[in-house]
Amino acid sequence: NAGVTQTPKFHILKIGQSMTLQCTQDMNHNYMYWYRQDPGMGLKLIYYSVGAGITDKGEVPNGYNVSRSTTEDFPLRLELAAPSQTSVYFCASSYWDRLPNYGYTFGSGTRLTVV
Amino acid sequence: DQQVKQNSPSLSVQEGRISILNCDYTNSMFDYFLWYKKYPAEGPTFLISISSIKDKNEDGRFTVFLNKSAKHLSLHIVPSQPGDSAVYFCAAKRGENYGGSQGNLIFGKGTKLSVKP
Repeated sequence: NAGVTQTPKFHILKIGQSMTLQCTQDMNHNYMYWYRQDPGMGLKLIYYSVGAGITDKGEVPNGYNVSRSTTEDFPLRLELAAPSQTSVYFCASSYWDRLPNYGYTFGSGTRLTVV
Repeated sequence: DQQVKQNSPSLSVQEGRISILNCDYTNSMFDYFLWYKKYPAEGPTFLISISSIKDKNEDGRFTVFLNKSAKHLSLHIVPSQPGDSAVYFCAAKRGENYGGSQGNLIFGKGTKLSVKP
C-alpha cells in the first residue's frame, strides 16, 4: 500500500519556467490537497479537490493550477515560476467522514527551488 | 491572520521527562483538533486528535488536552524518548456549519522537539 506518492522529490526550476508536480494516491480517498511549507512556517493550502472533476482554491492559489481527472491523481501546475514559489510542497488525501484523523495522509513532499 | 498559533518554535527536554507542546487558536468555529509529527524529508504523520466536545484524549504516551474557554490545547508526551524528536504541528478543522472549505485543516507553524538522551 503506497499511500500518497509525490514526484519528483527535488527539483530546481528557472524563473519563468513551468512544471507539474505529480501526486497519486491509492487509498480511494475522495479529498485531495496541495499544501506548501515555507521555512519556519506552517502548511498553507494551495488548492484542494473534493472529487474527480471538482477543484477549489485554498489560501494561496496564485501562480498555481490544478486538475482532477481521476480519483487517484491530483497534479499541481506551476506557470511562470517565481522565486517566491521556492518551498516544500506536500500533497495529501483524506476520506473526510472517517475518524479519528479523517484519514488525512501526506506524501513525502517535493522540495522545489526557483532560481 | 494566524488562526492556529504555536508560539514556541522549539523545545528541548531530557529523555524520560515530560514534553508539553502548546497550541492556541482564535476561531471558536473549530470543532476538531489534530496533532501531526514530521521528521525531516518526510511528510507529516497523524499522531492524535480531539473533538471539541471532549477535554482530553489519550493514546499511549501521548495525551492531548483541550481548554475551550481559553482556546488552548496541549500535547503531553510522557515519557519522552529520543525518537520523539521531530517537528509537531497543531491543526484545526472548522465545523461544517460554519462555512469555510469542508475537509480543510488549518495548521500552526510547528514546534521542533528535541529529546536528549
